[in-house]
Amino acid sequence: AQSVTQLGSHVSVSEGALVLLRCNYSSSVPPYLFWYVQYPNQGLQLLLKYTTGATLVKGINGFEAEFKKSETSFHLTKPSAHMSDAAEYFCAVTHTGGFKTIFGAGTRLFVKA
Amino acid sequence: EAGVTQFPSHSVIEKGQTVTLRCDPISGHDNLYWYRRVMGKEIKFLLHFVKESKQDESGMPNNRFLAERTGGTYSTLKVQPAELEDSGVYFCASSQNRAYEKLFFGSGTQLSVL
Repeated sequence: AQSVTQLGSHVSVSEGALVLLRCNYSSSVPPYLFWYVQYPNQGLQLLLKYTTGATLVKGINGFEAEFKKSETSFHLTKPSAHMSDAAEYFCAVTHTGGFKTIFGAGTRLFVKA
Repeated sequence: EAGVTQFPSHSVIEKGQTVTLRCDPISGHDNLYWYRRVMGKEIKFLLHFVKESKQDESGMPNNRFLAERTGGTYSTLKVQPAELEDSGVYFCASSQNRAYEKLFFGSGTQLSVL
């Protein structure tokens, strides 16, 4: 069975600092991996995804994530945090032929001025 | 292009009452999903429609939950009778192809059962 673990329900960084949100997954088949973001009073929206090919994936708003099969990880990073990055971030996994996307519990990012 | 629309945005009901949530997916999206998030925990899959057919309802908690998708367009999720543990945010999502392409989410319905 697939599962997703996000380390840290809350992460706080200063504006301009590195953002690192951790995600580990378990999957018995090659996974497709996603990061979604939810801003207040909005639905989730896709930040980036890994399907096949290059393991470093670039997304919107300067975010990127690296798929590391040996570590079963897909951590999300951004070199310099902006106040507008404050939101909740969800890591998710599915697989080829799969319709069911499994989500983690989310990490709320706080950005301090 | 209109996004995924959910109605109502909030619902407060008493235990034992019935509530119906509605989701209008993006036009042309054959795949429609219901998810639920309880008390800040993970977003859990409830079920998946392809057009009007239920493809996977393995996440439905029990038979108090009934989902329908009329004519392959909008979908409703009815909870009858509601229990306290049904409280949470119910999300609807749609996709044009398979889930691994991209899910488009609605803003969710916050359900509170008192």
